[in-house]
Amino acid sequence: ETGVTQSPTHLIKTRGQQVTLRCSSQSGHNTVSWYQQALGQGPQFIFQYYREEENGRGNFPPRFSGLQFPNYSSELNVNALELDDSALYLCASSLTGLTQYFGPGTRLLVL
Amino acid sequence: AQKVTQAQTEISVVEKEDVTLDCVYETRDTTYYLFWYKQPPSGELVFLIRRNSFDEQNEISGRYSWNFQKSTSSFNFTITASQVVDSAVYFCALSEASYGNNRLAFGKGNQVVVIP
Repeated sequence: ETGVTQSPTHLIKTRGQQVTLRCSSQSGHNTVSWYQQALGQGPQFIFQYYREEENGRGNFPPRFSGLQFPNYSSELNVNALELDDSALYLCASSLTGLTQYFGPGTRLLVL
Repeated sequence: AQKVTQAQTEISVVEKEDVTLDCVYETRDTTYYLFWYKQPPSGELVFLIRRNSFDEQNEISGRYSWNFQKSTSSFNFTITASQVVDSAVYFCALSEASYGNNRLAFGKGNQVVVIP
């Protein structure tokens, strides 16, 4: 059974640029959630996708957007990057309503 | 308001000592779920346990044990006879049924350092 995978592992961008992060869910899981984890903090919920539709969103601006594909993989897009967007971005997959299993994350640095 | 509070930021113990991590949560939901995750230096969050609000039975899994008390809104985690491999950040998290999804609200985490 393949776990949750994310790409890339590390990324460096400059302010104002756009970034796309990718996540492949664990086999059989239909729900993907994205979290942002700033240094020294707990992860913060960005949004969740279920059956290709957004199913809940945390306190993040619209420049954070996402997609889920028919194979349940997902993308997180961030436009107009700001310095404060530097963080570890974690993707988690689950079956509906059940325990979330996390990927290794993408470390984004915005200069 | 912080829904999950983990008061101790960093805890250092000598190998083979026990360590207890406190977690206090806040919710108005009657149906909710509590979790503990471990985050080693590699960054990936590793699931340890899930409890639902209707099951207050304490649980033991090897050297790990959990004490859930609804009366005090606490879900504490104890590592018995700690080992160097236990060094990590541990997060307590809450999922509330009223959101209609299983979004997690995390505490700030406890950094556990086990000294050999």
